[in-house]
Formats: sequence, C-alpha cells, structure tokens
Amino acid sequence: AQKVTQAQTEISVVEKEDVTLDCVYETRDTTYYLFWYKQPPSGELVFLIRRNSFDEQNEISGRYSWNFQKSTSSFNFTITASQVVDSAVYFCALRGGETSGSRLTFGEGTQLTVNP
Amino acid sequence: EPEVTQTPSHQVTQMGQEVILRCVPISNHLYFYWYRQILGQKVEFLVSFYNNEISEKSEIFDDQFSVERPDGSNFTLKIRSTKLEDSAMYFCASSLGGKLFFGSGTQLSVL
Repeated sequence: AQKVTQAQTEISVVEKEDVTLDCVYETRDTTYYLFWYKQPPSGELVFLIRRNSFDEQNEISGRYSWNFQKSTSSFNFTITASQVVDSAVYFCALRGGETSGSRLTFGEGTQLTVNP
Repeated sequence: EPEVTQTPSHQVTQMGQEVILRCVPISNHLYFYWYRQILGQKVEFLVSFYNNEISEKSEIFDDQFSVERPDGSNFTLKIRSTKLEDSAMYFCASSLGGKLFFGSGTQLSVL
C-alpha cells in the first residue's frame, strides 16, 4: 500500500521568509514518482514538479527547491523568500510502479499562508 | 499551454438524481483519470482509463459510478443516483504516461 504523510497541516509565515513543507512517503515499489501540486484558493491543481525514484538530485526552479532523500523517504519542498501569492494548499503525491498501478496517492496537504 | 477542460464548473443536484460530469482531456493524451476532493480533505483517486477501458479503480468507485469516452475528445463521469456524501470537487486529469494535468474541477453539491 502507498501512503503520503504531510505532517504540517498549516504553516503561517511573513513575506520574504523561507518555508519548508515536509513530505514523507511509503511504498513497496522500487520505481515510483513523486509530485508536488499547488492548490490556490481558486481550487485548481497546479503541477509543480515530478521526480522519479532513481533521480535523487535536488532541483531548483526559481524560488522553489526540492530535496529528495530516498534514505528517509522524504521529498521536501522549500520556498525561498515567500510571497503572498504563494498562499495555497500544497499537496505531495506519490505514484507507484510495479505494484501500485497508475493512481496518484495524495497527502493531506499543507495550508501555507504568507502574510504581508 | 494545452489544458484539461471541465464542465460545468458547478453542479447542484437533488439526492437520487443522475449527474454527468464532462471533461475534455488534452488532445494527444492517452491516460485519463477522475479524482475527487471532499471539502477540506485530500484529493482521492477514483478511476483511471486507458485504451477505452478502465485500467484501475478505487474502492470509492462503486456501481453508482461509470466512465465513458463517447467520442475522441470527451471523457465523462456519471453518478447514477447521487448521495449527499457525493458532494465534492471532481477533478479530471490526463497524461501521456508521466505528468498529470488536472482540470479546474467541477464542484458537485448534492442536496
């Protein structure tokens, strides 16, 4: 069975602070994919990143960076110099390979509020 | 950028009525999905569809639910006899096998 845990239900920061959203996953598959999605107040799901289990290189995209640690089954997401527009719910998700089919398993989400 | 389109954005129905939620996936995509999100909760997988048949479904996707790709462009989710607990945001998604692109969702309210 697959499971994604986002232990932080809500985080509140002041603009320009850095913030890290935690994600821990469980899977028996050796090949799997990890995702982050953003859900702004308007409700849509916006794709942010996909990583496969064989690529442990950290990735940076502008103010966003992701730290994939296979040894601790974590895929954390950091926003540097946060902005009010970053306020949203962020979901981490996992898609397995051999045993788990094609479904995405989502975490509970982290509500990020960036205050001016 | 191409996008997944869902209609309607909001649907209100009476308990026991049938509803059809419509989606137009991205045109060259091969895999199609329905997910739902009950208010304030996480996004849950319902069903995946590939090569004109269901490839996987969750325990939520019982006999009340069905999916169809009636033509080359639309992908529909039918709920035969809606219950109060079916009230949720329903997301359609499509992919070529990698990244999933989600539509903006249909908010279904069952009264």
